[in-house]
Amino acid sequence: EVQLVESGGGLVQPGGSLRLSCAVSGFTGSYNYMSWVRQAPGKGLEWVSVLFSGGSTYYADSVKGRFTISGDSAKNTLNLQMNSLRAEDTAVYYCAREYKYWGQGTLVTVSS
Amino acid sequence: DIQMTQSPSTLSASVGDRVTITCRASQSISSWLAWYQQKPGKAPRLLIYKTSSLEGGVPSRFSGSGSGTEFTLTISSVQPDDFATYYCQRYDSYGTFGQGTKVEI
Repeated sequence: EVQLVESGGGLVQPGGSLRLSCAVSGFTGSYNYMSWVRQAPGKGLEWVSVLFSGGSTYYADSVKGRFTISGDSAKNTLNLQMNSLRAEDTAVYYCAREYKYWGQGTLVTVSS
Repeated sequence: DIQMTQSPSTLSASVGDRVTITCRASQSISSWLAWYQQKPGKAPRLLIYKTSSLEGGVPSRFSGSGSGTEFTLTISSVQPDDFATYYCQRYDSYGTFGQGTKVEI
């Protein structure tokens, strides 16, 4: 069974850091790209970052310089290191493989 | 930075209606355009990729068309399960989403 399971969300103070992970299982073959997408409470989808199989990475302007996407092929995980967090980063964070397969999301709340 | 603009933001429809949602890109994005359906509390579901290719398992009443900067998602005959929010997304290097269209009764 194809599964993506996010973890690492929680409550963090403004200026703090958090590392999200996405455990991927049930796939044969490697991915072309994997992404993080977030959704603030009651708002629309916001693309955050993408990691291509060749190693290229891209970020939304809103997170550039603060977030870092990475993959661990040995552990079949996708990670998102989030630094200098702001209240506006509060959202459910989804990982996705080629935008076809999605996890259930993990909630990040940035608040004092 | 390419912006994606959907219209309308909200759409009222009845079962059996034909529904069309438009997505405009501020610059040409070739065919790298996808459509998603999202229901409350759930992850998005991919419906259409590369402008007009139907994802496996998606009913054939969904279709996509367009090119360059203007794209449409059409539901030929809206069914009760289709009442949801729909998003377009460019997915070349970046993955910008439109702001969403809520299809309601």
